[in-house]
Amino acid sequence: DVVMTQSPLSLPVTLGQPASISCRSSQSLVHSDGNTYLYWFQQRPGQSPRRLIYKVSNRDSGVPDRFSGSGSGTDFTLKISRVEAEDVGVYYCMQGTRWPRTFGQGTKLEIK
Amino acid sequence: QVQFVQSGAEVKKPGASVKVSCKASGFTLTSYYIHWVRQAPGQGLEWMGIINPSRGSTTYAQNFQGRVTMTSDTSTTTVYMELSSLRPEDTAVYYCSRGRNDPVTGYSDFDYWGQGTLVTVSP
Repeated sequence: DVVMTQSPLSLPVTLGQPASISCRSSQSLVHSDGNTYLYWFQQRPGQSPRRLIYKVSNRDSGVPDRFSGSGSGTDFTLKISRVEAEDVGVYYCMQGTRWPRTFGQGTKLEIK
Repeated sequence: QVQFVQSGAEVKKPGASVKVSCKASGFTLTSYYIHWVRQAPGQGLEWMGIINPSRGSTTYAQNFQGRVTMTSDTSTTTVYMELSSLRPEDTAVYYCSRGRNDPVTGYSDFDYWGQGTLVTVSP
């Protein structure tokens, strides 16, 4: 199985400051169809996960443009340009290239 | 609008089975597959398996092989996940979500999620 490793696991951030989460996969996430299926999810307290980013860098509808995804191969990053109070929660990366689908451990973002 | 409505919370004894339902609306169920994911209290997300409702075909994660059964009823646009031989460590919130493999754009997974179903396994 592809192991997804996130860092840091805890991320205290001051409101208005940037934040960055790293996600590394144990194998390349480039699919035979040429796409790289790396996703980012946000899970606010008490809610279901919400998809933010698909195929590395594509924002889902309604996702603020302060969220951005980047990376290739095995190294990926989620960036929040200016953290707002509503961004508190746990962020997960997930690979959709190989079966079984696998998630990172999660990064808990909190406000300092 | 795309929506998944899952069945309510369950409390089960060890050794029992639980069947969670996930009713889909707002899209053509047979054009997608449905994932099941679970989350133990305070823990991360764990993929359990997938069902193709149009064919009834399934793929299960190794950890659940032999204990999980996913089924679908296209007439009611409802998908089911049954987990047997329950143990206390199966206590978790169980989610359904959708995915598809489009011939042009490729895979797209987990764009919509159900609200989750808490299953508690306790003596």
